[in-house]
Amino acid sequence: AQSVAQPEDQVNVAEGNPLTVKCTYSVSGNPYLFWYVQYPNRGLQFLLKYITGDNLVKGSYGFEAEFNKSQTSFHLKKPSALVSDSALYFCAVRHIMNYGGSQGNLIFGKGTKLSVKP
Amino acid sequence: ETGVTQTPRHLVMGMTNKKSLKCEQHLGHNAMYWYKQSAKKPLELMFVYNFKEQTENNSVPSRFSPECPNSSHLFLHLHTLQPEDSALYLCASSVGQGANEQYFGPGTRLTVT
Repeated sequence: AQSVAQPEDQVNVAEGNPLTVKCTYSVSGNPYLFWYVQYPNRGLQFLLKYITGDNLVKGSYGFEAEFNKSQTSFHLKKPSALVSDSALYFCAVRHIMNYGGSQGNLIFGKGTKLSVKP
Repeated sequence: ETGVTQTPRHLVMGMTNKKSLKCEQHLGHNAMYWYKQSAKKPLELMFVYNFKEQTENNSVPSRFSPECPNSSHLFLHLHTLQPEDSALYLCASSVGQGANEQYFGPGTRLTVT
């Protein structure tokens, strides 16, 4: 069964410092990996995704994530955090059996609350 | 902002009421989804529609009844709900599934009294 783990309920960072939000996954085939952000009283907003190719993917608002197949991880990173980055971050995975083959639904982690203090 | 709108944004209903949630997407997508978001729990996929056909019902109780009259509109009909059904209900859409990201509406905050 496929699953996603976000081991930290909350991450606290000072403004200007680098931030990392962790995500590990478990799938039986090849993964499609996604990061979404949710601001208060809003729906989820797509940040970035890994499908294939370069392990480092860049997304919106200066965020990036690195796909690490051996560690089954897809951590979200940003070199310099902003107070406005404070939000709830969700990692999600969909497994693909041999690219282009059968696929499961998108499975979300429970979310990590990021708090950036000035 | 995302091209997916949901109405109402807030809903309070009694356990004997019947109400409906509405979702509309203006993105030309063909897949639409209902999710339930409860505090301290991962997003739960409820239903998936692809080209108006339901392709997924994730063991959702029959008191939730979806309807997809066309690729742009999705409804969730509610009747005889329980207090534990109180949650944020999110609608999303995408260009097919696979590698394509989903675009979410702002959600309907439902409270069952």
